[in-house]
Amino acid sequence: EAEVAQSPRYKITEKSQAVAFWCDPISGHATLYWYRQILGQGPELLVQFQDESVVDDSQLPKDRFSAERLKGVDSTLKIQPAELGDSAMYLCASSPDGEAGEAFFGQGTRLTVV
Amino acid sequence: KQEVTQIPAALSVPEGENLVLNCSFTDSAIYNLQWFRQDPGKGLTSLLLIQSSQREQTSGRLNASLDKSSGRSTLYIAASQPGDSATYLCAVSRGNNRLAFGKGNQVVVIP
Repeated sequence: EAEVAQSPRYKITEKSQAVAFWCDPISGHATLYWYRQILGQGPELLVQFQDESVVDDSQLPKDRFSAERLKGVDSTLKIQPAELGDSAMYLCASSPDGEAGEAFFGQGTRLTVV
Repeated sequence: KQEVTQIPAALSVPEGENLVLNCSFTDSAIYNLQWFRQDPGKGLTSLLLIQSSQREQTSGRLNASLDKSSGRSTLYIAASQPGDSATYLCAVSRGNNRLAFGKGNQVVVIP
């Protein structure tokens, strides 16, 4: 069964260091999302790609976060420098074309900033 | 801005009882609604997807209904089992497949 792959599963980093997360969506899914989930809350969208183009990054803290999907397939989310408040679960999801497509999520990366 | 509310935030039920989880949303102009399950420290597993033109979806012991006009969805889990213990998240899509999530219903099924 096709899955969204994410790595690493867990990451501990020191404040002010750089950290990167990787996501490989389900093959053929044009839309890729990065969400952030703080403990006890629902996920919130950080950035949405359609193929290699950014569709929505209005909630992405661009002074420290960046995201890319160079060939329209896999994607990388980077934080530099990391802050204590960035500790959260980072979830990647993908969906097929169309307004009413089902979203499929990966297992997430649990980030702890110390 | 779309707001999604899930009530109750947490509940415990004895094994075998039926579970009823509620989700409400403020903007009825949605494309679809999804229910997800999340185990502690894990990602989200899609349970049911209801398109805006549909009233309900069923999968095994799970049934989800959608009433767009009143901005409500209900997830029913029949004959609950300890393995159903998890957090259940409701999300609505309005344009560009952008999902707005509730905070979840945390469920514990007591053996």
